[in-house]
Amino acid sequence: DGGITQSPKYLFRKEGQNVTLSCEQNLNHDAMYWYRQDPGQGLRLIYYSQIVNDFQKGDIAEGYSVSREKKESFPLTVTSAQKNPTAFYLCASLRQAEGFNQPQHFGDGTRLSIL
Amino acid sequence: AQTVTQSQPEMSVQEAETVTLSCTYDTSESDYYLFWYKQPPSRQMILVIRQEAYKQQNATENRFSVNFQKAAKSFSLKISDSQLGDAAMYFCAYSSNQFYFGTGTSLTVIP
Repeated sequence: DGGITQSPKYLFRKEGQNVTLSCEQNLNHDAMYWYRQDPGQGLRLIYYSQIVNDFQKGDIAEGYSVSREKKESFPLTVTSAQKNPTAFYLCASLRQAEGFNQPQHFGDGTRLSIL
Repeated sequence: AQTVTQSQPEMSVQEAETVTLSCTYDTSESDYYLFWYKQPPSRQMILVIRQEAYKQQNATENRFSVNFQKAAKSFSLKISDSQLGDAAMYFCAYSSNQFYFGTGTSLTVIP
């Protein structure tokens, strides 16, 4: 079945440590997105990529980095510069980069916590 | 900037009854799309219904329907014959050249 796979489901970060969240899709979608979800704040856009080797900052990119070396993969690194990383992270994809008439497909999320 | 507002953080409904979740948005665009997503305790985001702004007819999907008022920039979701499985967080979303999400409404279904 086609879909988006996020791993791990739960992740713990020590102070000063960088951690990477994986997002893989086999839907052959062009665009991919990373959102952060906090209680009472809905989904906030961290980064998005419309094409391989290109990505754009979202509303809350500080303390995060991404790469898009392959169409199917869009990993998110939470760096030590992100002082409040505890949140639920959702990865999403969109069939066409400009296909905003279509709904995004979402992964099952990664819960990141600080040790 | 586009914003999406869900003014009801929490709602409850008796099983088999009808409930309406509110959503308003702010935009200067004339062509855009609106979505309702459901996020159950499993945290997976599931598309419930979609509405194109250029269509006057309200979208329906089985027990789910919307009341789309373009002039008022309102996009409410009506759930009929509520079931226990409808209990979830519901997010309203807007898209034009980017996606914007509301803060969500937590729906409780009372047996």
